[in-house]
Amino acid sequence: DAGVTQSPTHLIKTRGQQVTLRCSPISGHKSVSWYQQVLGQGPQFIFQYYEKEERGRGNFPDRFSARQFPNYSSELNVNALLLGDSALYLCASSIQEPYEQYFGPGTRLTVT
Amino acid sequence: ELKVEQNPLFLSMQEGKNYTIYCNYSTTSDRLYWYRQDPGKSLESLFVLLSNGAVKQEGRLMASLDTKARLSTLHITAAVHDLSATYFCAVDRKEYGNKLVFGAGTILRVKS
Repeated sequence: DAGVTQSPTHLIKTRGQQVTLRCSPISGHKSVSWYQQVLGQGPQFIFQYYEKEERGRGNFPDRFSARQFPNYSSELNVNALLLGDSALYLCASSIQEPYEQYFGPGTRLTVT
Repeated sequence: ELKVEQNPLFLSMQEGKNYTIYCNYSTTSDRLYWYRQDPGKSLESLFVLLSNGAVKQEGRLMASLDTKARLSTLHITAAVHDLSATYFCAVDRKEYGNKLVFGAGTILRVKS
């Protein structure tokens, strides 16, 4: 069975640009969560979506937004990129909430 | 606010030795997780601990949970080089949905 997939794998952007990251959950999973992991730190919760509704938001600025589609895939958007947004962005899915989450391979974003 | 502290943050050990990583959390949680992360990679789930006194073992790793002390331990027995990685503990609470709160991680280096 396919696990959580994320695209792209790596991304390089310039300050001020916008970026969209994509996540496909495990088949049958209805909840998707996004985490940011800065180098040398533990992952930080950004958003959680369940059945296309936002169910949780972490302490991130409004430049960060997300949505979940009818097929339960999700996009994370970050506007007006800052150098500090450079990180590994992880997507996790679960069957429902709250429930054990399974993480995707991540998208490595570098902002120059 | 749910907070998680791990110690030590860095652990260098010889092959064949035993050691323990500690994970303390600030308030009642519903589940405690241990993850492994290799450099540049995503999170691999090791254990999910649900109740007080829970103990799980996989190979040379054993995790336990004491909910009264709000403490989990990850014990490494007869370490081998392949165990070198960063280990994270994380907790969640049903009222927070699927939000996982992570510790800072313990970097484990096993010297041959």
